[in-house]
Amino acid sequence: GQSLEQPSEVTAVEGAIVQINCTYQTSGFYGLSWYQQHDGGAPTFLSYNALDGLEETGRFSSFLSRSDSYGYLLLQELQMKDSASYFCAVMDSSYKLIFGSGTRLLVRP
Amino acid sequence: EAGVTQFPSHSVIEKGQTVTLRCDPISGHDNLYWYRRVMGKEIKFLLHFVKESKQDESGMPNNRFLAERTGGTYSTLKVQPAELEDSGVYFCASSQYTSGNEQFFGPGTRLTVL
Repeated sequence: GQSLEQPSEVTAVEGAIVQINCTYQTSGFYGLSWYQQHDGGAPTFLSYNALDGLEETGRFSSFLSRSDSYGYLLLQELQMKDSASYFCAVMDSSYKLIFGSGTRLLVRP
Repeated sequence: EAGVTQFPSHSVIEKGQTVTLRCDPISGHDNLYWYRRVMGKEIKFLLHFVKESKQDESGMPNNRFLAERTGGTYSTLKVQPAELEDSGVYFCASSQYTSGNEQFFGPGTRLTVL
């Protein structure tokens, strides 16, 4: 089967750094994406890793290790507005996204 | 540039009725995807259009679901007859390239079947 595992909930304080891990087991793999979703909103694209290593975009970074079937999203200098659900998603060999069940991030003052 | 739009935002229907959801992708995007999130679980793929052709419909749960994309622009997803387990949020996404790494999602249609 195909599955992605990520923690269900993470809590952190404003200004801190938080890492959300994702492990995957899929039949095909083109890359690992991360999406952010605020309650009632549309999932919005954050990052994509097709190759091993770290991709940095402002306060957010994403890492991929294909040999370990593992990736993470790193959020730095947390802000209250970062409170949301974060989904990892594998783009499989037919270009569809296979999502994890999401990690709810709560940022406290 | 307008994003992906979906209509309606909410729909409440009774079991056995028919509902049609609409998605307007970003102009110029050939690829259109339908996903749904049921009962707080993960977002699951339903199907993928490239222009007006169904590229992959492996995620469609059963023959009560019918998706169309006539003319390769907007798409509709019809559920007939609706069952209780069809309740959830239906998302549409589009991308310019099939192998593109970013899919742009609409706000979703929240479907409640009573």
